[in-house]
Parts: sequence; structure tokens; C-alpha cells
Amino acid sequence: NAGVTQTPKFRVLKTGQSMTLLCAQDMNHEYMYWYRQDPGMGLRLIHYSVGEGTTAKGEVPDGYNVSRLKKQNFLLGLESAAPSQTSVYFCASSTRTSGAPDTQYFGPGTRLTVL
Amino acid sequence: EDQVTQSPEALRLQEGESSSLNCSYTVSGLRGLFWYRQDPGKGPEFLFTLYSAGEEKEKERLKATLTKKESFLHITAPKPEDSATYLCAVHGTKTRNAGNMLTFGGGTRLMVKP
Repeated sequence: NAGVTQTPKFRVLKTGQSMTLLCAQDMNHEYMYWYRQDPGMGLRLIHYSVGEGTTAKGEVPDGYNVSRLKKQNFLLGLESAAPSQTSVYFCASSTRTSGAPDTQYFGPGTRLTVL
Repeated sequence: EDQVTQSPEALRLQEGESSSLNCSYTVSGLRGLFWYRQDPGKGPEFLFTLYSAGEEKEKERLKATLTKKESFLHITAPKPEDSATYLCAVHGTKTRNAGNMLTFGGGTRLMVKP
């Protein structure tokens, strides 16, 4: 099992450019998440998905869009990148349980710099 | 709104010098408190989940405890390989129907010198 994988690992963009970050998981998890991590801010949730074809906003969704066309993939898009979106982006996934909350498993991250 | 505060922000220890990291939280109906370890340039790695006050869990030199207001991660006789950032996160009742969202603290960066 590869777990959660993310592509690319690094990317440099110019202001106004667009890009898509890809997250894939092979654990058959229902839930998937996109976070950003900034120094002193901790991990903040951008968007999440509770199943194929569904997405919802998290804490900091502005400037981002997401899609979950297949259960195993969760895409994060930046339509017009801004320097404030310079960050490290993490994808995570978890199972869906009716009882206690399940563990979120994280990918290795994508380091994005917007000039 | 759920809130998590971790202290200290950074902690330097000598090898073998035991200490504790603190995670204070405010949440509506705690359903789970999670501890993760994060190495530089990598994603968070799951360590423990605690569900109710009084619960304790151990893994090698790490022991996590939980009260109604905070959690501690005790590190006994740490080694240099324990150096990492330790993250705490909570899941509350209000986010149960919102994809089981987690609220994270800012983390404690632990450095263990030989």
C-alpha cells in the first residue's frame, strides 16, 4: 500500500498562473481533505470531501477549488495563484465510521511557492 | 469554535532528559484527541487517539494522557531520533457531520541533543 500520495512535490508559480495538485489514496477511504500549513499557523483545512462527487468548504477555502470525480482521487486547484498561497499543502484521508472518529492519514506534502 | 493551543512552541532537551508537551483545548463535546509526529519535509504521522478523560496510551518512550481541558505528551528518556514537531488535534461533536474535521494546534518543535 502506498497510502496517500501527492503530486507534484514542489512547484513554483508566478502570480496569476493556475495549477492543480493531485492527491491519491489506495486505502478505499471515503473521506479526503486538503490542508495548508504555514509557520506559526498550524494545519488549516481548505476543503474536504465525504465521498465521490461531493465536496465542502473548510476553514480557509477562498482562492481554491476542488473536485472528487473518483473515490481515490481528490484534486485541489488554484485558478489564479497569489503570493499569499505560498505554503505547504497536505492531503489526508480517513474512513467513515458511525462511532468514534477515525484517524486521518496524511500524504507527504506539496511545497508551493508563488512569486 | 474549537480551539487548540500547544506549549511550548519549542523545546530543547538533552538525551535522556524527560519532559512533557502540553495541548490545551476548547471543544464542544470532545469525540477524540489526536497526536501526530511530523518530521521536517514530511507529512504528519499518526501516534495516538484519546477519547475520554483519564485515558492513557503509550508507545515506546511516548505516553499520552487526557483530562477534560488538556492533554500531555510525556517523553521519557528521549533520544535524538525523537526530534520532530508534535501536533495535537481535536474532533468535536459539531464537526461530526462535517466530514469529521480536525482542529489542529500550532505544534511543539522538540529537539533532543546527544
